[in-house]
Amino acid sequence: AQSVTQPDIHITVSEGASLELRCNYSYGATPYLFWYVQSPGQGLQLLLKYFSGDTLVQGIKGFEAEFKRSQSSFNLRKPSVHWSDAAEYFCAVGARGGSYIPTFGRGTSLIVHP
Amino acid sequence: KAGVTQTPRYLIKTRGQQVTLSCSPISGHRSVSWYQQTPGQGLQFLFEYFSETQRNKGNFPGRFSGRQFSNSRSEMNVSTLELGDSALYLCASSPQEGGGYNEQFFGPGTRLTVL
Repeated sequence: AQSVTQPDIHITVSEGASLELRCNYSYGATPYLFWYVQSPGQGLQLLLKYFSGDTLVQGIKGFEAEFKRSQSSFNLRKPSVHWSDAAEYFCAVGARGGSYIPTFGRGTSLIVHP
Repeated sequence: KAGVTQTPRYLIKTRGQQVTLSCSPISGHRSVSWYQQTPGQGLQFLFEYFSETQRNKGNFPGRFSGRQFSNSRSEMNVSTLELGDSALYLCASSPQEGGGYNEQFFGPGTRLTVL
C-alpha cells in the first residue's frame, strides 16, 4: 500500500520569499502524484499533478513541483509567496494499476507574514 | 460550469441520531468520492461511487453508507452518530472512476458536529 509523509506541519514564510513544501511517498513503482490546496472554509483545489514524462511539473497560481524518483519525493515550490497563498497544502499519491483510492498526506499549514 | 455543491454546509446532531449529507457533482462527472477530514486523522477516504455503484470503500464501520442516483448526485448517511464522527465531510467529483489517478474536484464540505 502507498503512503505519504509531509514532514512539516506548519511553515512560516515572509511575503515575497521563496517556498518549498516537502512530500515523501512510499510506493513500489512510480505513483501518480498530486498537490492540493485548501483555503479556510473551502474544499481542496488541485494545484498540479504528475503522471509521467517531464519530472518538473507546472501548476496553477505559480506553483511547480519536481518528482525525484531517487528520493521518493515530490516537493512543491513557489519562487515568491503572496499573502493569499496562506492555506493548507496536501500531497496525495495514487497507485498505478492498483487501488483507485488516493492516499493523502496530513497536510502542511502555510503561514505568510507581511 | 457550476462546481461541486454540498448540502447542508453545517449540521449539529446529538449522539445516537442519524444524518444524511448530499453532494451534487459537476455536470457530466460520474464519479463521486466522500472523505472525512479531522484534525487528528487528516483526510480519510470513505467510499467512491461511479455510475450508481460503489466501486471502492475505505476502512470505516458499516454505520457509514452512501448511494448514488442516476443523475450522479450522491448521498452519504451516518447512523447512530458518535462524538468521534464530528468532522468535515468532503465530496469530490471526477469525470472518471478513480481518485487515485484522476483529478478530483472538491466541494466546500459539510461540517458535522455531534454533541
